[in-house]
Amino acid sequence: KAGVTQTPRYLIKTRGQQVTLSCSPISGHRSVSWYQQTPGQGLQFLFEYFSETQRNKGNFPGRFSGRQFSNSRSEMNVSTLELGDSALYLCASSPGPTETYSNQPQHFGDGTRLSIL
Amino acid sequence: ILNVEQSPQSLHVQEGDSTNFTCSFPSSNFYALHWYRWETAKSPEALFVMTLNGDEKKKGRISATLNTKEGYSYLYIKGSQPEDSATYLCALNSGGYQKVTFGTGTKLQVIP
Repeated sequence: KAGVTQTPRYLIKTRGQQVTLSCSPISGHRSVSWYQQTPGQGLQFLFEYFSETQRNKGNFPGRFSGRQFSNSRSEMNVSTLELGDSALYLCASSPGPTETYSNQPQHFGDGTRLSIL
Repeated sequence: ILNVEQSPQSLHVQEGDSTNFTCSFPSSNFYALHWYRWETAKSPEALFVMTLNGDEKKKGRISATLNTKEGYSYLYIKGSQPEDSATYLCALNSGGYQKVTFGTGTKLQVIP
């Protein structure tokens, strides 16, 4: 079964622009989470979606937003890009809410590496 | 903001050595603890999910233990091999759903 697919793999933008990243979860997975990784930092949680609704949000400014579609695919958008937004953005999927939801490991994509000039 | 700490930050061991590292977390905010292995140029891969105090999990030469009362988990690698070289991440699920807090990882380099 195909893994988590993220597109594009690499992206170069300039300050002030906006960007949209895409994530297709593993077939049958309904939960999608997004993470940011910058040098020296661990994976920072951005947000989590299932059933097209944002369920949790990390401590990021409102410039970071996301959405999920009915087929569970998700996009995240960053507006008014800043140099500090240069990072690896990872998407992860899991089956979704069940009584053992917190036990479900997440399956990660290869990430989108975003560079801001 | 929850503080999940991993130590050491990095580690170099000789092939064949056994090693271990630590993940510390606030014991009052515990639903589950996950361990991941992240090899260079790949995506993080799940190793273990641990939920109960005293849990011990094993996969080949890698094992993990959990103490939720004191807020720590250990990951052990027996007889390290070069292919074990990776960053090992722990992640605390503190509120159900999938809102997890990752540690900054332990980077392991196994020298042949």
